Amino acid sequence: GQNIDQPTEMTATEGAIVQINCTYQTSGFNGLFWYQQHAGEAPTFLSYNVLDGLEEKGRFSSFLSRSKGYSYLLLKELQMKDSASYLCAVTSDDYKLSFGAGTTVTVRA
Amino acid sequence: IAGITQAPTSQILAAGRRMTLRCTQDMRHNAMYWYRQDLGLGLRLIHYSNTAGTTGKGEVPDGYSVSRANTDDFPLTLASAVPSQTSVYFCASSDSAGAPDTQYFGPGTRLTVL
Repeated sequence: GQNIDQPTEMTATEGAIVQINCTYQTSGFNGLFWYQQHAGEAPTFLSYNVLDGLEEKGRFSSFLSRSKGYSYLLLKELQMKDSASYLCAVTSDDYKLSFGAGTTVTVRA
Repeated sequence: IAGITQAPTSQILAAGRRMTLRCTQDMRHNAMYWYRQDLGLGLRLIHYSNTAGTTGKGEVPDGYSVSRANTDDFPLTLASAVPSQTSVYFCASSDSAGAPDTQYFGPGTRLTVL
């Protein structure tokens, strides 16, 4: 089975940087996804990491350390529209996604 | 291109009633999935289909059934609804089931069982 942990809530100021951590324990590993979900909407894909290191995509970056079972999502230059839940999901040997409970980020002016 | 559509958007259902949630995708994806999302628990996989004609059980399959008669449609049926099935249900699809492919989600169905 999978055990995926991420903080429940985070608050940050517009223009700031926020780092959302995700730790996981899995019987097999085939990559880690981050999804964004605005309230009342569907999750949408943000990033995928399968190799160790940092993947940068505009204001968002995602990091993976397979040996530590650890990932983070970095949101830079925060905007009000970034207020959402951020879901960490791990794929195992069967390629099915196991999701963490999500981190709700609130951006304040 | 619509992507994935789900119907109904929301539903209030009496316990014991039968209900089918509909899901249709127009991306010709091979794999489709049903999740439920509950506060504090995140998304949990109910059933999946790797390709048309096949289905499999996810993490929380009890009380639910699915069918995959063709590539586009993947309905989820609650044979006899119970209050614990109150949740938001998301359908998703991915191009391949045999690789860590990005999953694309429908808008969700909010179901309340009384």
